[in-house]
Formats: sequence, C-alpha cells, structure tokens
Amino acid sequence: KAGVTQTPRYLIKTRGQQVTLSCSPISGHRSVSWYQQTPGQGLQFLFEYFSETQRNKGNFPGRFSGRQFSNSRSEMNVSTLELGDSALYLCASSFRGANTEAFFGQGTRLTVV
Amino acid sequence: AQKITQTQPGMFVQEKEAVTLDCTYDTSDQSYGLFWYKQPSSGEMIFLIYQGSYDEQNATEGRYSLNFQKARKSANLVISASQLGDSAMYFCAMREGRVSNFGNEKLTFGTGTRLTIIP
Repeated sequence: KAGVTQTPRYLIKTRGQQVTLSCSPISGHRSVSWYQQTPGQGLQFLFEYFSETQRNKGNFPGRFSGRQFSNSRSEMNVSTLELGDSALYLCASSFRGANTEAFFGQGTRLTVV
Repeated sequence: AQKITQTQPGMFVQEKEAVTLDCTYDTSDQSYGLFWYKQPSSGEMIFLIYQGSYDEQNATEGRYSLNFQKARKSANLVISASQLGDSAMYFCAMREGRVSNFGNEKLTFGTGTRLTIIP
C-alpha cells in the first residue's frame, strides 16, 4: 500500500513568488492535514481538509491557502513568499472517524531566498 | 500553557539499553489521542504508536510501548533494546476531542527529544 506522497521534495523560490505543494494521501484516506516545521516554531498546524472542505485552520496569514480535490489529493499554496516561509511542509493523511493513526509524507523542504 | 511538554531536549543512550522519553499533556477534553512520531534527519515523520484516552491497556508496537498514566497526564514512550537506527528526533503529539465530520484531525506537537544511541 503506497504511503503519503508529497511533491516536490525540495523547492527554492525567491521572495515575492508563490508556490504550490502537493499531497496525495494513502488510498482510502479522506482527511488531509498540513503542518509547517521550522527550527524556531517547531511543528505548527496549517489546515485540515475532509471531503473537499476545509474543516480546521491554524493561525497563519491568508497568504497560506489550500484545497482538496474529489480524489482526496490536496494542494497548499503560499503567495508572496517571505524569507520566514522557509520550512519543511508536512502533509498527514488519516482515515476519518477511526480515531487512530495519522501518517505523514516525507515533506517538502521550501527555501525562500 | 503548553499542551504537550517534552522536557528532555536531548538524550544519549547506550546501544541495547532501554530508553524512556517523557511526555506530559494538558487537555480538558475527555476524548483525546496521543501519538509518538520519529523524525530521522531525512525529515519524514514516522508514526510509532497511538494511545486513545479510553484505552485501558498501554499501547505496544514491537519494541515501542507507551506508558500511559491518565491521572498524571503523562504518555511516555519506552523503547526497549535500543538500536543505532533509533537515533532521531522523537515527537509526542495530541489530538483533542473526538474526530467527527466537522473536523478534528489537528495534532499539537511537543518540541521533541533528540535521541542519540551510542555504540
């Protein structure tokens, strides 16, 4: 069974640009959550999607947005990139309602220069 | 107040010894889940073990066990017979409330413990 797939693995962008990251959950999982990991702030929740609807949102500016497609794949977008957006972005998928495991992808490491 | 507290920033353990990584949590919900993840230098978060708040037995997964003390709000991870490949960052996380269609998959993470296994 394939795991959570995040693309791309690495990305270098310039300040002011925008970026789109992709996450394909485990087959059968319909819930996708996104996290930002930085050395200073640790792991912080960005947002959660289920059935193509955003169900929960963390404390991030509106430059951070996301969406989920009918096949449960999710994308997150960051517009007008800032140096502080440099981070590891992790996506997690889970089987809604099972109250059990959440599995993460390998992450996308974004560097803003 | 911190919802998840991991008080050990770093630990050094001899190979083949057992190791306990501490985690305390704070929640007013009756229903919650506790997770442990391992993050090697590659960055991937590897799920290790899960404990539900209503689970009466401590969770075990191979060499990993979770010492769940509900009254103390603690959920320590125990790794038996440590191996060199266990060297990594370890994160404790909590999901509060019951998962529902209204959304509740958010995990709150601790700051992590860097475990180094010495040969």
